[in-house]
Amino acid sequence: DIQMTQSPSTLSASVGDRVTITCRASQSIGNWLAWYQQKPGKAPKVLIYQASALESGVPSRFSGSGSGTEFTLTISSLQPDDFANYYCQQYNSHWTFGQGTKVEIK
Amino acid sequence: QIQVVQSGPEVKKPGASVKVRCEASGYTFSSYAITWVRQAPGQGLEWMGWISPSSGNTNYAQKFQGRVTLTTDTSTSTAYMEMRSLRSDDTAVYYCARFNAIHGCGDYWGQGTLVTVSS
Repeated sequence: DIQMTQSPSTLSASVGDRVTITCRASQSIGNWLAWYQQKPGKAPKVLIYQASALESGVPSRFSGSGSGTEFTLTISSLQPDDFANYYCQQYNSHWTFGQGTKVEIK
Repeated sequence: QIQVVQSGPEVKKPGASVKVRCEASGYTFSSYAITWVRQAPGQGLEWMGWISPSSGNTNYAQKFQGRVTLTTDTSTSTAYMEMRSLRSDDTAVYYCARFNAIHGCGDYWGQGTLVTVSS
């Protein structure tokens, strides 16, 4: 199975900061990579699909890039509502999630 | 509008079985697979498998093969996840989601069902 390695596991940042989260696949997955945001007690919410496509209704400060094995999620200017957990997910017949990144207030 | 609503919390004893319900509305149920994901307390997301309502085809994570059965009832737009031989480490929130295969992700999620396994 394809393994997803996400980093960092925790990220401390301030409102207005530019934030980047990285996900690495154990083998090439093309652009079959999604990013989710999850808040405590809530279901995950898709932000980005196919590595760089913004899900409808998601603020444009979120962006995704990459292909093959290296992917990034960038939040251009962190807002109070963005403090949450973030997960990457690959789709290649099966799914695999990264371990998650907690974005916390610095 | 599209909605995915799951059944309520369950408490089971080790060795028992549980069946979680996932009811979808607002779209053509047979046109999208349903995927299942679980999350143990304080842990990350773990994919379990998906099922195509139109064909009945399933795809399970190896870890759950043989212990989990995914089914659907297209007449009621409902999907089910049954897990047998429950253990304490199966205690988790179980989510279902509409699987958008074109996008490769879950785009509409249920609210989650807490399954607690305890003697």
